[in-house]
Amino acid sequence: AQRVTQPEKLLSVFKGAPVELKCNYSYSGSPELFWYVQYSRQRLQLLLRHISRESIKGFTADLNKGETSFHLKKPFAQEEDSAMYYCALSKGSARQLTFGSGTQLTVLP
Amino acid sequence: NAGVTQTPKFRILKIGQSMTLQCTQDMNHNYMYWYRQDPGMGLRLIYYSASEGTTDKGEVPNGYNVSRLNKREFSLRLESAAPSQTSVYFCASSYRGQGANEQFFGPGTRLTVL
Repeated sequence: AQRVTQPEKLLSVFKGAPVELKCNYSYSGSPELFWYVQYSRQRLQLLLRHISRESIKGFTADLNKGETSFHLKKPFAQEEDSAMYYCALSKGSARQLTFGSGTQLTVLP
Repeated sequence: NAGVTQTPKFRILKIGQSMTLQCTQDMNHNYMYWYRQDPGMGLRLIYYSASEGTTDKGEVPNGYNVSRLNKREFSLRLESAAPSQTSVYFCASSYRGQGANEQFFGPGTRLTVL
């Protein structure tokens, strides 16, 4: 069965420091992976998807099939990055998402 | 273009009461989903629908029923509320097409069962 693991429930960094949010997955097929973000009092929204290999708001994530990981990275954290981050895996005919338990990122001034 | 809307925003139920959560999307999406969000557990899929008139169980369907009334609307019903159903419920929708398509989420319904 597919599973997404985010080992850190809480993560705090200082403004300007690098940040890495970890995500590991288990899936027998070819995975489609996403990072979703939920800012305070806002709805959940897509941050980035592995298939696009894009950089959004300075964040990047590389799919490492050997290590079954999809870690989210940003070289210089900003206070506005403080939010709940969810790693998710898409599977099935209707592309249902399996979410990790989330990491609450706090960027300190 | 309102995206995904949900009603109500908040609700308090007594054990055994029933209620229906409504979800509407105006993006002409085929897929619609219901998730629940609980602290420390992320979002878990309750039910989903690939098209009008079809529904399938997700990870945690027990205690819930759904109805895909038409392409725009997907409702979630609790027939007899239990404290374990206290949660935040999110509806989402996505386009059916090639590639990894994002899901668009509603604002959520916060439900408390006492």
